[in-house]
Amino acid sequence: NAGVTQTPKFQVLKTGQSMTLQCAQDMNHNSMYWYRQDPGMGLRLIYYSASEGTTDKGEVPNGYNVSRLNKREFSLRLESAAPSQTSVYFCASSDRGYNEQFFGPGTRLTVL
Amino acid sequence: QKEVEQNSGPLSVPEGAIASLNCTYSDRGSQSFFWYRQYSGKSPELIMSIYSNGDKEDGRFTAQLNKASQYVSLLIRDSQPSDSATYLCAVNNYGQNFVFGPGTRLSVLP
Repeated sequence: NAGVTQTPKFQVLKTGQSMTLQCAQDMNHNSMYWYRQDPGMGLRLIYYSASEGTTDKGEVPNGYNVSRLNKREFSLRLESAAPSQTSVYFCASSDRGYNEQFFGPGTRLTVL
Repeated sequence: QKEVEQNSGPLSVPEGAIASLNCTYSDRGSQSFFWYRQYSGKSPELIMSIYSNGDKEDGRFTAQLNKASQYVSLLIRDSQPSDSATYLCAVNNYGQNFVFGPGTRLSVLP
């Protein structure tokens, strides 16, 4: 039982490059989330998926897209990376929207 | 604007003392409340959840909720150096969105 897994752990991009962050959970959770964490800003919600087949914007969605591939997997895509997207990205899941969220280990992204 | 506020710290306590971490929230519709611990360079780890007014104890940790005052706290008894971390308060109002506070950095001094 791995919980929430994320790949890659680290990534360096040049401005304008694209990439997809992968997230998977094996807890049979319905809801999945993508956050970014910046010094002094705390955790901010980018996108979430309440259930398979649905996605919604969070607090800071600009510059990102998501795909809920199936119940287990939720990916985050940066189409044209910008230095402002340098951050630590966390994926999380919960069985219902108001229940505890469990976090993956994070992806540390640097955009040059 | 839904907000969750915490003192950023650092909060320093001697080993063996009680550490008291506080959190206030602005949305009166909030229904569920969580405390996470985050070590430097690691992901947030759930410590406690609390849904109703009063105290909830789990080992050395006690969460306290007062919905009338819009206040939730975390007490850590017999603090250990391994408790040194940033503690995040999170609040949810039965929607899909958690709102996280900025975190309080706790330092337990040997």
